[in-house]
Amino acid sequence: AQSVTQLGSHVSVSEGALVLLRCNYSSSVPPYLFWYVQYPNQGLQLLLKYTSAATLVKGINGFEAEFKKSETSFHLTKPSAHMSDAAEYFCAVSQARGYQKVTFGTGTKLQVIP
Amino acid sequence: DAGVIQSPRHEVTEMGQEVTLRCKPISGHNSLFWYRQTMMRGLELLIYFNNNVPIDDSGMPEDRFSAKMPNASFSTLKIQPSEPRDSAVYFCASSPQYSGNQPQHFGDGTRLSIL
Repeated sequence: AQSVTQLGSHVSVSEGALVLLRCNYSSSVPPYLFWYVQYPNQGLQLLLKYTSAATLVKGINGFEAEFKKSETSFHLTKPSAHMSDAAEYFCAVSQARGYQKVTFGTGTKLQVIP
Repeated sequence: DAGVIQSPRHEVTEMGQEVTLRCKPISGHNSLFWYRQTMMRGLELLIYFNNNVPIDDSGMPEDRFSAKMPNASFSTLKIQPSEPRDSAVYFCASSPQYSGNQPQHFGDGTRLSIL
C-alpha cells in the first residue's frame, strides 16, 4: 500500500522568497518519488524524481527535493520564487517492485506575489 | 519529439450522448494511462495498459466507461451514455516501460462538459 500527503492546498510566497512545498509519503516497500508541475490548461510535467540514488535530487527550473527516509518526507524547495513558478504541484509515489501504479497527492497551488 | 496527443481538447455534449476521447502516446512507450481530474476528487487513475493490454481497470467508475488500445499508437476512452457528473478533465499519459521508476508523460487533456 502507498499514499502521499501534501500539506497545504494553497501556498503563497513573495517573488524572490523561498519556496517550500511539503510532501509526506507512506509505502510498504522502498518508494520511488516524483514531483510534477501543472500549469493552467496543461497536463502534468515532471519536475524531478527520486529513484534510490542520491537523496538530494535536482530538477528543472531550479527546484530540488530531499528524500528523508526517517521523516518519510520528500519536500520540494526553490531558493528564490519567480512569477513563472505559479502553478499547481503534485507529489507522487510508486513502488520499486512490481506494478507501476502511481499514487498522486491532492496538489498544492503555488501563488507568487510580486 | 511529439508528446502525448489528445483529442479533442474540449468537448461539450448533452447528457445521454456517447463521448469518445482519443490518445496517441509517445512513440516507443509501452505503458498508457487514463486519468480523470476534478476539483472534488483530484487526479484519479481510471485504467492502465501495458503493451496494449489492460492491466488495471479498477478505477473505471462504472460500466458506462470503456477503454481500448487497439495498437501501440492509439487508445480511446468511451463514455456511453454520458452524465453531467462525468464532466471533468481527462488526461492520457504514457511511459517508456512497465517499471515504477519511469515518469509519466501527460497530454494536455480533454475538458469534457456534459450538459
